[in-house]
Amino acid sequence: SAVISQKPSRDICQRGTSLTIQCQVDSQVTMMFWYRQQPGQSLTLIATANQGSEATYESGFVIDKFPISRPNLTFSTLTVSNMSPEDSSIYLCSGWDNGHYGYTFGSGTRLTVV
Amino acid sequence: TQLLEQSPQFLSIQEGENLTVYCNSSSVFSSLQWYRQEPGEGPVLLVTVVTGGEVKKLKRLTFQFGDARKDSSLHITAAQPGDTGLYLCAGAVGSWGKLQFGAGTQVVVTP
Repeated sequence: SAVISQKPSRDICQRGTSLTIQCQVDSQVTMMFWYRQQPGQSLTLIATANQGSEATYESGFVIDKFPISRPNLTFSTLTVSNMSPEDSSIYLCSGWDNGHYGYTFGSGTRLTVV
Repeated sequence: TQLLEQSPQFLSIQEGENLTVYCNSSSVFSSLQWYRQEPGEGPVLLVTVVTGGEVKKLKRLTFQFGDARKDSSLHITAAQPGDTGLYLCAGAVGSWGKLQFGAGTQVVVTP
C-alpha cells in the first residue's frame, strides 16, 4: 500500500506566523486531500488538491488562509497562514491508494498556536 | 452537516466481549470505508465495502454494508486490548471523490 510521509509531526507556533506542512507519497496519486481533526474527534475536509489546478476548498475554508500547492503527483503542501489559537488542531493529508482500494493518510501534524 | 451518524460515541468493554459500531445515513454512498485511528497516527483503512448487502470478514472483524448502501456496521468478536482506538466510518461521495466522515466511536478494551 502507498505510504505518505508527513512533516512536521508537531509544532508550536506563535500567533500571526505561518506554518507549511508537507506530504510526500511514495507513489503517484491523482487527488490528495487535506483534513483538520480535533483529538478524538472526526475529520473535517479542508480542500482537495489536484496537480496542475487550484485546490478546491470546502465551505468555511479559503485559499488565503490555507494555501495549497500540488506541484506533482507525489507531493503536496498546506500552509496555515496568519495563525491564531483557533487554528490549533491536527492536520492530515490523504491520497487514494489503488493498491489498497482505499485512502491512505499521513500520520498528521499536531499544531499548537500560542 | 454531518451526513453520517455513527453510534455509539464511546464504548468501553472487557477483553473477550463483543461489540458493534453503527454508521447510518439518509444518503446513498458509492462506497463506505472503515478506519481505525490510534493517538498520534493517521487513520488506517480497515475495509472498503462497495456492494449493497456486502459482508466482509477480517479475522475477528465483520463489516456489513446495508442493502440500500446507506448504512454499515462493524462487529468485533472477542475484543482484545489491541482493538482499542477511534473507529471512523466514511462514505465516498461520487466515484472515489472526497470522503464524508462519521463522528467516530472511541473504543476502549480493558484486559
